[in-house]
Amino acid sequence: DTAVSQTPKYLVTQMGNDKSIKCEQNLGHDTMYWYKQDSKKFLKIMFSYNNKELIINETVPNRFSPKSPDKAHLNLHINSLELGDSAVYFCASSANSGISPLHFGNGTRLTVT
Amino acid sequence: DAKTTQPNSMESNEEEPVHLPCNHSTISGTDYIHWYRQLPSQGPEYVIHGLTSNVNNRMASLAIAEDRKSSTLILHRATLRDAAVYYCILRLGSSNTGKLIFGQGTTLQVKP
Repeated sequence: DTAVSQTPKYLVTQMGNDKSIKCEQNLGHDTMYWYKQDSKKFLKIMFSYNNKELIINETVPNRFSPKSPDKAHLNLHINSLELGDSAVYFCASSANSGISPLHFGNGTRLTVT
Repeated sequence: DAKTTQPNSMESNEEEPVHLPCNHSTISGTDYIHWYRQLPSQGPEYVIHGLTSNVNNRMASLAIAEDRKSSTLILHRATLRDAAVYYCILRLGSSNTGKLIFGQGTTLQVKP
């Protein structure tokens, strides 16, 4: 049973396209996150949702829009993809937004050509 | 958020203990010390966390200095599967965001 699952695992697309990455957690957690890991391997938070409400938006371009239909899902939609969006995107969840450990998915490698 | 400093890389021999240091001289009284690791081609994985006292779990031990300005993650017997990037992260205990701020981490190589 995968605790935090992301789909797709790999995504190759052309500049200007719109794409979505889906994330689901079966841990019953209240808080979900999206992180981006760039080519230099730095991990940076993008968004956080707590009980379907946005609590963190770390100056991410408007082309990125997270959507949380329910507590168990946090999807990431990206409009007008650019070369610089190429990265590995990780979804994560935690029991609450305090100090509970984060559980990460295995990532979605996005390549924009 | 308070910063941490870790060595870029470390090497260890298989089945020997590994001590991964972390400096956090600007830690505040409500910051928890968290450790995560990232194995190749995987997402980060929680290892351990603590506030003031040393902590043990099935994966590792965390030794926290008395002044809390440094800590050490201890892997008691390194295996090849422990080769990963290890991140030392401070989390504000009273934070309502839960976010983790990752630094560059320490890349641990384990030699057979």
